[in-house]
Amino acid sequence: QKEVEQDPGPLSVPEGAIVSLNCTYSNSAFQYFMWYRQYSRKGPELLMYTYSSGNKEDGRFTAQVDKSSKYISLFIRDSQPSDSATYLCAPGGYSGGGADGLTFGKGTHLIIQP
Amino acid sequence: NAGVTQTPKFRILKIGQSMTLQCTQDMNHNYMYWYRQDPGMGLKLIYYSVGAGITDKGEVPNGYNVSRSTTEDFPLRLELAAPSQTSVYFCASTPAGNQPQHFGDGTRLSIL
Repeated sequence: QKEVEQDPGPLSVPEGAIVSLNCTYSNSAFQYFMWYRQYSRKGPELLMYTYSSGNKEDGRFTAQVDKSSKYISLFIRDSQPSDSATYLCAPGGYSGGGADGLTFGKGTHLIIQP
Repeated sequence: NAGVTQTPKFRILKIGQSMTLQCTQDMNHNYMYWYRQDPGMGLKLIYYSVGAGITDKGEVPNGYNVSRSTTEDFPLRLELAAPSQTSVYFCASTPAGNQPQHFGDGTRLSIL
């Protein structure tokens, strides 16, 4: 089973707020975890990736993985209107080698109100 | 920095027609992938390749074919277009299977 669940939103927050985006997965075989951002009519753009449980920070973004709970989060601090996009969580490594690609959630549509 | 380039960007086909979606990358990546994205749905893997001459099926391969004669190119072929194949198609590449994938901007395909 390779299901990945995300609340599709839309999630609307005021500029400057802290945003929490969440994702759950069912298969403990996933080995690494990616977050992509997708603007309208564009391809997914990598934001964060991690290979282990715990937190990883990059600027205003923090990715959090809890493998025991099969729960993935992305936090955005000081949110900006330019952060308005769809955010896709994508665990991978289902079959061990990683060659079979990523399993994507449906994405959460985020709107940052100026 | 071209990255992953997909052509065409838009196409309208009639039922039963065939076409090839082109994908090329200039990063010398061994792994390449084709996904489709339907409205409100996550990306679904169609086919992938771990190197020239090697391809394998993903989650939704029916109605599609691929080839990989060079490291740079990974075309996707629709032989008999059906309305169910109306979607946005994304190509991606990565240097290794457990590394982040780089995506093109997609081909929007409508089958009428």
